[in-house]
Amino acid sequence: SAVISQKPSRDICQRGTSLTIQCQVDSQVTMMFWYRQQPGQSLTLIATANQGSEATYESGFVIDKFPISRPNLTFSTLTVSNMSPEDSSIYLCSVVPPGQGIYGYTFGSGTRLTVV
Amino acid sequence: GEDVEQSLFLSVREGDSSVINCTYTDSSSTYLYWYKQEPGAGLQLLTYIFSNMDMKQDQRLTVLLNKKDKHLSLRIADTQTGDSAIYFCAETVSGYSTLTFGKGTMLLVSP
Repeated sequence: SAVISQKPSRDICQRGTSLTIQCQVDSQVTMMFWYRQQPGQSLTLIATANQGSEATYESGFVIDKFPISRPNLTFSTLTVSNMSPEDSSIYLCSVVPPGQGIYGYTFGSGTRLTVV
Repeated sequence: GEDVEQSLFLSVREGDSSVINCTYTDSSSTYLYWYKQEPGAGLQLLTYIFSNMDMKQDQRLTVLLNKKDKHLSLRIADTQTGDSAIYFCAETVSGYSTLTFGKGTMLLVSP
């Protein structure tokens, strides 16, 4: 299965600032997903990042707040913009490696963000 | 809409069996998964089951699916302290579509 490197692993940020989270995969993948896990909550899909096209956002998430880049098939970034304490969460990227089909969803170790 | 429900907490003694339960509402769910999240770590896929199956066994793990009741369970035999983690149930309705997760069940295994 794919190995995902996610950076930073954690950060404490001031409200009003922005943080960019990086997701690097050791193999080329078509689709990458960004999830948010709020404290004590389930994982919620933010958006699907496709190479060569704009990200597709889920209801409740907008590009201005969570801009996503996907410059190539192994890398993506998620930016959390103009942060507030409500953005304190774990952010995870996920991919389906080639040939893995529906049983291959692989997750990064997550970025634990605290906004103060 | 899709909804996946889990009990939030389970405590067992080392060596006992653990059973974590999950219910889902989407009757078109095709693939169901169990993920494990240890503290400070990402999600690790433990096992999965297709909706046309009733049971799947993988070493200490047994997954039971009651499609009529939309109920999924994960049984861990001979539970160890290293099994202490949060376990997430997830479903998807088709290949390569996105996952819908439950809120997770925290399993605490005491010596």
